[in-house]
Amino acid sequence: AQKVTQAQTEISVVEKEDVTLDCVYETRDTTYYLFWYKQPPSGELVFLIRRNSFDEQNEISGRYSWNFQKSTSSFNFTITASQVVDSAVYFCALSVNTNAGKSTFGDGTTLTVKP
Amino acid sequence: DAGVTQSPTHLIKTRGQHVTLRCSPISGHKSVSWYQQVLGQGPQFIFQYYEKEERGRGNFPDRFSARQFPNYSSELNVNALLLGDSALYLCASSFPSGGLETQYFGPGTRLLVL
Repeated sequence: AQKVTQAQTEISVVEKEDVTLDCVYETRDTTYYLFWYKQPPSGELVFLIRRNSFDEQNEISGRYSWNFQKSTSSFNFTITASQVVDSAVYFCALSVNTNAGKSTFGDGTTLTVKP
Repeated sequence: DAGVTQSPTHLIKTRGQHVTLRCSPISGHKSVSWYQQVLGQGPQFIFQYYEKEERGRGNFPDRFSARQFPNYSSELNVNALLLGDSALYLCASSFPSGGLETQYFGPGTRLLVL
């Protein structure tokens, strides 16, 4: 069985600060995929980034970056120079093989960015 | 292009009733998944359908059922509603291409059971 833990329930920052959201996962599968989604108050989950278990290279995409470490089963997500519009609930998710349609989600981290 | 659409957006039912939720995937997407999101928690996988066949089922009672139609739209049915079924029900579609799929979510249906 898979499990995703997001230990941070709520985070509050001031605009322009950098913020890192933590995610720890558990799976016995050797092939898996990790995702980050954003859920604004409207409720619709928005896909942000994904990473597969074979590629630990960390990347930057605009203001988003992620740090994937298999040794610690962590997949942390960083927003650089946060903006008020980044305020939302952020979910980390795990899927095995290539089937993202059966993802296991963490319970989310509520990010509040204050002006 | 239209995204994933769900109907209705909100629904109020009483205990013991039955409910049907509907989902239309993104054009060209053949896989539809359903998730239940209770307030304050992450989405929990309920069902996945691909090409009208059930591809997976989460840990939900038999009161929950679903189906997929030839046009790839899908229905989620819940019988004998309980108060605990109150949640946001999310539908997601994806296009299996032999590689990693990406799910695209609809806005959800907010179900309140009284």
